[in-house]
Amino acid sequence: DTEVTQTPKHLVMGMTNKKSLKCEQHMGHRAMYWYKQKAKKPPELMFVYSYEKLSINESVPSRFSPECPNSSLLNLHLHALQPEDSALYLCASSPLGQGGSNQPQHFGDGTRLSIL
Amino acid sequence: GENVEQHPSTLSVQEGDSAVIKCTYSDSASNYFPWYKQELGKRPQLIIDIRSNVGEKKDQRIAVTLNKTAKHFSLHITETQPEDSAVYFCAASYNYGQNFVFGPGTRLSVLP
Repeated sequence: DTEVTQTPKHLVMGMTNKKSLKCEQHMGHRAMYWYKQKAKKPPELMFVYSYEKLSINESVPSRFSPECPNSSLLNLHLHALQPEDSALYLCASSPLGQGGSNQPQHFGDGTRLSIL
Repeated sequence: GENVEQHPSTLSVQEGDSAVIKCTYSDSASNYFPWYKQELGKRPQLIIDIRSNVGEKKDQRIAVTLNKTAKHFSLHITETQPEDSAVYFCAASYNYGQNFVFGPGTRLSVLP
C-alpha cells in the first residue's frame, strides 16, 4: 500500500461551521504533513508531525488545528474559516531517515475546500 | 529561511525535443532536492530527487543535476511526450528533511 488517502475530496462550509479533514497512510511513515495549495501556486507547508508530535507550525492561524491521533492518521480541524482559506489542502507522509537524512514525501489527492 | 526560485514559469516544446527547468536555492544547509509533477486536479507526484552528495542522477528520460557551489539544480526531460505536459515543482529541503520549500512551478506544454 503506497497511498495517502484524504477525505473528503470536496468540502463546502460556511464561516461559522466546524469541520475536519482526514488523512491516512499505512506505509509506516513517521512524518506527516499538511500543505495548503492555492490555484496556480506551489504547495505551502502548514504543519509537520514527527513521531506523532507537532514539530513544525509555519505560523498558521489558530482557526486551523492539527491533530495526529496515531502514526497512521492526521486530522486538520477547521473552525471559523475565512473565504481566503478556500484552497486545496494536501496531506503528505514520509519516512524519517536515520540521522536526519531526507526522505521523499508522498502526497494524497487533497481536499478541495470552499468557504462561503 | 529557504527561498527557491524556478525558471521558466512556462515552457512549450515540440514533442521529441528536450525540456530543461532550472531552480536556485538560498540556504546552503539544504541537502535534498526533489522534483514533483502535478497534473491538473491531481496530487504532486515525485518524479526524481537528488541529495547533496551527488552531482547528477538519471532515470530513463529524466535527469537532475546539482551544483552545490552555485546553489542551483536542474531538471532535464529528453524525448518529451504529450503526457509530460504538467506543472513541475522543484523543492529544497532542510531541517533534517522535514521542511520542504517549493519553487513557484513551471508549466510545461508538449506540443504534438
